[in-house]
Amino acid sequence: NAGVTQTPKFRILKIGQSMTLQCAQDMNHNYMYWYRQDPGMGLKLIYYSVGAGITDKGEVPNGYNVSRSTTEDFPLRLELAAPSQTSVYFCASSSSRVGPSTDTQYFGPGTRLTVL
Amino acid sequence: QKEVEQDPGPLSVPEGAIVSLNCTYSNSAFQYFMWYRQYSRKGPELLMYTYSSGNKEDGRFTAQVDKSSKYISLFIRDSQPSDSATYLCAMNTIQGAQKLVFGQGTRLTINP
Repeated sequence: NAGVTQTPKFRILKIGQSMTLQCAQDMNHNYMYWYRQDPGMGLKLIYYSVGAGITDKGEVPNGYNVSRSTTEDFPLRLELAAPSQTSVYFCASSSSRVGPSTDTQYFGPGTRLTVL
Repeated sequence: QKEVEQDPGPLSVPEGAIVSLNCTYSNSAFQYFMWYRQYSRKGPELLMYTYSSGNKEDGRFTAQVDKSSKYISLFIRDSQPSDSATYLCAMNTIQGAQKLVFGQGTRLTINP
């Protein structure tokens, strides 16, 4: 199992450009998440999904969009990139079985994004 | 006031020392408590999971929850250089509610 994979690893964007961060998991998890991590600020939830076709906002959704057409993939779209979106982005997934497994989130390696 | 407060460090200790990492929280509804470990330039991974108050031990790691004080701790005994990482606490009110609340993370370095 590859677990959670993310592409690209690094990206530099100019202000106003758009891009899609890709995330895929091969663990058949229903739940998937997008976080951003700024230095010294912990993880902030951007969007999450409890299954294909179902998404919901997290704590910091402004400037981002998501879609979930399959169980495996959960792309994050940045429209009109701004310097405030410079961060490390992590995708995660977890099982939907009620119990500790649901709180066990498996993270990808992250995408380092710089907006100049 | 942040829901979860964690001293960001950095914390540097010699190999073999006992390390204590802590988080405080304000929401008394939190019942499920986790510690994630994050190596440099990697994603976090779950290290310990506890429910309600009490202690849980796993090898050199002990997680402690004091709900009356709204305080959780992670102790690392016989610390090793391989324990050098950022440690994030995380909490949930309902098991599997999808919205974990994370602390800021404490960066720990174990010096050989």
